[in-house]
Amino acid sequence: ELKVEQNPLFLSMQEGKNYTIYCNYSTTSDRLYWYRQDPGKSLESLFVLLSNGAVKQEGRLMASLDTKARLSTLHITAAVHDLSATYFCAVDTPDDMRFGAGTRLTVKP
Amino acid sequence: ETGVTQTPRHLVMGMTNKKSLKCEQHLGHNAMYWYKQSAKKPLELMFVYNFKEQTENNSVPSRFSPECPNSSHLFLHLHTLQPEDSALYLCASSQHPMRGELFFGEGSRLTVL
Repeated sequence: ELKVEQNPLFLSMQEGKNYTIYCNYSTTSDRLYWYRQDPGKSLESLFVLLSNGAVKQEGRLMASLDTKARLSTLHITAAVHDLSATYFCAVDTPDDMRFGAGTRLTVKP
Repeated sequence: ETGVTQTPRHLVMGMTNKKSLKCEQHLGHNAMYWYKQSAKKPLELMFVYNFKEQTENNSVPSRFSPECPNSSHLFLHLHTLQPEDSALYLCASSQHPMRGELFFGEGSRLTVL
């Protein structure tokens, strides 16, 4: 069974600092997705990573995928308040699709 | 209209009521999903439809009844719900079932009294 684990589940950051969210998964896959959810809102797609070594960047967020390690990272550079949200990773295989539990990020002044 | 739209956005119902949630996607996708998101649990997949055919039912209680009349519309009929069913219900679509990037609607916030 495909399992997807994120850590940390809660992250409180200071503005201007850097941090990384990790997403591990249990079954071979080269397809991983990151989503953002603002409080009380729905999920919106951030990144689609479809091969080993894929790296995508948007503003202060950069996502990468290492399919051999079954690991994706979401790196936050010089955090700002409007990055406060919950971030989910999701993985699909030919047989399944699973979401991680989400990382609730709070950026404080 | 673009994307995935859900109505109503908020719904309050008693345990004996019958109500329905509606979802419509304007993306030409083949697969549609219902997810449940409650405060203390991660996203829970409820149902998946592919070209109107149900392909996944994750042991969802029968008080939740999905309907997919065509590949653009998805309903979730609700009856005799329990207070623990209060949650955010998210509809999503994708090009292929259980594969690829999901596009989510804004969600329907359900409160069961």
